[in-house]
Amino acid sequence: QSVLTQPPSVSAAPGQKVTISCSGSSSNIGNNYVAWYQQLPGTAPKLLIYENNRRPSGIPDRFSGSKSGTSATLGIAGLQTGDEADYYCGTWDNSLSADVFGTGTKVTVL
Amino acid sequence: EVQLVQSGAEVKKPGESLKISCEGSGYYFPGSWIAWVRQMPGKGLEWMGIIYPGDSDTRYSPSFQGQVTISADKSTNTAYLQWSSLKASETALYYCARLLWSNGGRSFDFWGQGTEVTVSS
Repeated sequence: QSVLTQPPSVSAAPGQKVTISCSGSSSNIGNNYVAWYQQLPGTAPKLLIYENNRRPSGIPDRFSGSKSGTSATLGIAGLQTGDEADYYCGTWDNSLSADVFGTGTKVTVL
Repeated sequence: EVQLVQSGAEVKKPGESLKISCEGSGYYFPGSWIAWVRQMPGKGLEWMGIIYPGDSDTRYSPSFQGQVTISADKSTNTAYLQWSSLKASETALYYCARLLWSNGGRSFDFWGQGTEVTVSS
């Protein structure tokens, strides 16, 4: 049972924008940076966002991250068919003394 | 180029032991933490634990403490995940990932390709 809750799925048409929420608590998101990962079908996860809103080299600016209180949000603008994947948030949990991941969200491009 | 290359798929019987590996290259392996992450079939990511190859300092998730052993050999740039007695419920895909620890934030910037472990009688 993950301590970070995400919606199971979101969908939109090509070119539209989707947002994915990640809800936690003061022991995790509330006091730590959040990262986001993309897992394309049959592949390993890939880092999309770190330190709440920073993109690693090579990640397009269509992907954005934000954090407010005990929740974080990933935005994907200009949705493309290649964005169909599972997306996970992640952070450190001070109470568990462990890294934790969200429940995961499947993005479908209609 | 940073790479983490994991050992190949394994098929084991319940009660058997297993050790899988993750070899790093393209960076100073002893100086970065390596984590292990489990993904059960059709499920999400679970952080199992982490090791600092430089001095083998190891931390475990409470959920996995006592169930697995994480180790590393800095002379061969390799991290390991092992089980002494596998259970069918440990059938999963296992990833290693490098920790990016910057400005107090933690994220995993490079991942291995995954090792599929199947435990079945």
